[in-house]
Amino acid sequence: AQRVTQPEKLLSVFKGAPVELKCNYSYSGSPELFWYVQYSRQRLQLLLRHISRESIKGFTADLNKGETSFHLKKPFAQEEDSAMYYCALFNQGGKLIFGQGTELSVKP
Amino acid sequence: ETGVTQSPTHLIKTRGQQVTLRCSSQSGHNTVSWYQQALGQGPQFIFQYYREEENGRGNFPPRFSGLQFPNYSSELNVNALELDDSALYLCASSLYRDPTDTQYFGPGTRLTVL
Repeated sequence: AQRVTQPEKLLSVFKGAPVELKCNYSYSGSPELFWYVQYSRQRLQLLLRHISRESIKGFTADLNKGETSFHLKKPFAQEEDSAMYYCALFNQGGKLIFGQGTELSVKP
Repeated sequence: ETGVTQSPTHLIKTRGQQVTLRCSSQSGHNTVSWYQQALGQGPQFIFQYYREEENGRGNFPPRFSGLQFPNYSSELNVNALELDDSALYLCASSLYRDPTDTQYFGPGTRLTVL
């Protein structure tokens, strides 16, 4: 079964602390993985995709096929990073499969 | 360049009724996908339209149907509403160059079924 799992519903850290949002996936083929973010009162938007190998707003994510993971990391959290984060997988049928989301709360 | 828009913002219906939700794609985009997001859950794929044809469907019953128009705007229709249909409905548009092209989301329509 194709599935994306985000084990933490809520992650709370202090400003300046490192952040890691976990994402594990189940997919038989070669996965296309994404992180989407939803800031308060804003729409869902793409944060980064693994094939781009880019860093957006200081966030990076590495695909680990052995562990079937695509964890999102940032070395120093900022208060403006507080948001809902969704990991998503693109399947061969052209549809995005989302995880349940992790709410990141960065405290001052 | 205009972004994805959806109407209405909120909607309240009663069980058994029918509802139509609308989506206007981002300028230049030819593909639209619809998602259902229940409270506390991630979005779930309903279906996708490309060039006015259904181009993939998730695990939703046939009472969920859609249309895409020549100007690439789209509708989601739900018949015989059930209480569990209460959710945020999102549409996302993209340019179909390959299936993994970035999808741009609208703000959503909040549907409440009483």
